[in-house]
Amino acid sequence: SQKIEQNSEALNIQEGKTATLTCNYTNYSPAYLQWYRQDPGRGPVFLLLIRENEKEKRKERLKVTFDTTLKQSLFHITASQPADSATYLCALGGRGSTLGRLYFGRGTQLTVWP
Amino acid sequence: GAVVSQHPSRVICKSGTSVKIECRSLDFQATTMFWYRQFPKQSLMLMATSNEGSKATYEQGVEKDKFLINHASLTLSTLTVTSAHPEDSSFYICSARDGITSDYNEQFFGPGTRLTVL
Repeated sequence: SQKIEQNSEALNIQEGKTATLTCNYTNYSPAYLQWYRQDPGRGPVFLLLIRENEKEKRKERLKVTFDTTLKQSLFHITASQPADSATYLCALGGRGSTLGRLYFGRGTQLTVWP
Repeated sequence: GAVVSQHPSRVICKSGTSVKIECRSLDFQATTMFWYRQFPKQSLMLMATSNEGSKATYEQGVEKDKFLINHASLTLSTLTVTSAHPEDSSFYICSARDGITSDYNEQFFGPGTRLTVL
């Protein structure tokens, strides 16, 4: 079965810096990859989607890259703010018979301190 | 954006009872809904895929007789945890996909339901 690893359980950075989160996966070839934000006791909120034929996507202060050869996605938050503190989840998107299904990593808890 | 609601947000029940959780898409029609379970500090684990008007597809290791899913309309799916036990205590989250008006692959998640079985 697929295995998804997010670089670390927790990442602490100073306000204004760029946060970089890593998602590595094995035993799977996702059709796309998504990043979500989850706050404590809440459901995930969609941030970005990147397809297998795309290298990079941007949305405001967010940037995601996708390297299907390395089986890795990087998620960047530039000019980070304390309000960005949350758990960030990466999810692999299924193809074929599993189209639409998402398989999540455990998440990285980001803390941005002033 | 698309909104998905869940009810109840929190439920406490005795061991052996059944609990029903509702998932509703409020402003779009969801042909497909998904049910996840999340234990503390763990990832969301996909339990089943629910398609309107047909039987749910369960992931490997998920007991279909214990976790009953009904997707009777394009805006409502229900998950019933039958004969609940303390090990079923978890955070249950649903998501819905609107393949008509938005990116086919985008899912919208509900706020989750915290189930505690005593």
